[in-house]
Amino acid sequence: KNEVEQSPQNLTAQEGEFITINCSYSVGISALHWLQQHPGGGIVSLFMLSSGKKKHGRLIATINIQEKHSSLHITASHPRDSAVYICAVGNQFYFGTGTSLTVIP
Amino acid sequence: DTGVSQNPRHKITKRGQNVTFRCDPISEHNRLYWYRQTLGQGPEFLTYFQNEAQLEKSRLLSDRFSAERPKGSFSTLEIQRTEQGDSAMYLCASSSPRRGLYEQYFGPGTRLTVT
Repeated sequence: KNEVEQSPQNLTAQEGEFITINCSYSVGISALHWLQQHPGGGIVSLFMLSSGKKKHGRLIATINIQEKHSSLHITASHPRDSAVYICAVGNQFYFGTGTSLTVIP
Repeated sequence: DTGVSQNPRHKITKRGQNVTFRCDPISEHNRLYWYRQTLGQGPEFLTYFQNEAQLEKSRLLSDRFSAERPKGSFSTLEIQRTEQGDSAMYLCASSSPRRGLYEQYFGPGTRLTVT
């Protein structure tokens, strides 16, 4: 059993669509991280959150600590958003398997 | 601040050879992490340091793997007697606490191919 489960595993969207990626975890945490990984391997931290909601540009991340669930939303999706989005929890990081997003022009 | 750097970026080696990778964290970050990522999978935790102390090791880290951070700055990850199953991207990240939480900054990774 994975400590972190993400859904969907793969997602294809038309440019402009609203996108939601979900993450559920089973361990106690102090913070949850959303990461973005582009082809070639580089990983960028998008959000670190321990409660509520954070917004950065077109990206919004929410977390419900009681339900052990987080969502990453992308508004007005764009082809440059195409990447793998990874949820991670814990100090040494338990990672989800990632959601591969492709946004079609 | 130039970010986390890793060297080499790519390494091709023959099975049975030893390899060593280096990670230079963001200066003054007291935590440094090593992860491994195979194709199509999410990263997996290998080990992490707080300053020069290695605080946790995954059971993925067999006795052929060793990591050091001798002066609490850069770190090395050595794999002895490489096997084809060691082929992966090896990622390093560093962090320091901000309001008690650690946000990790990742390096570009070292891609290892064992032939």
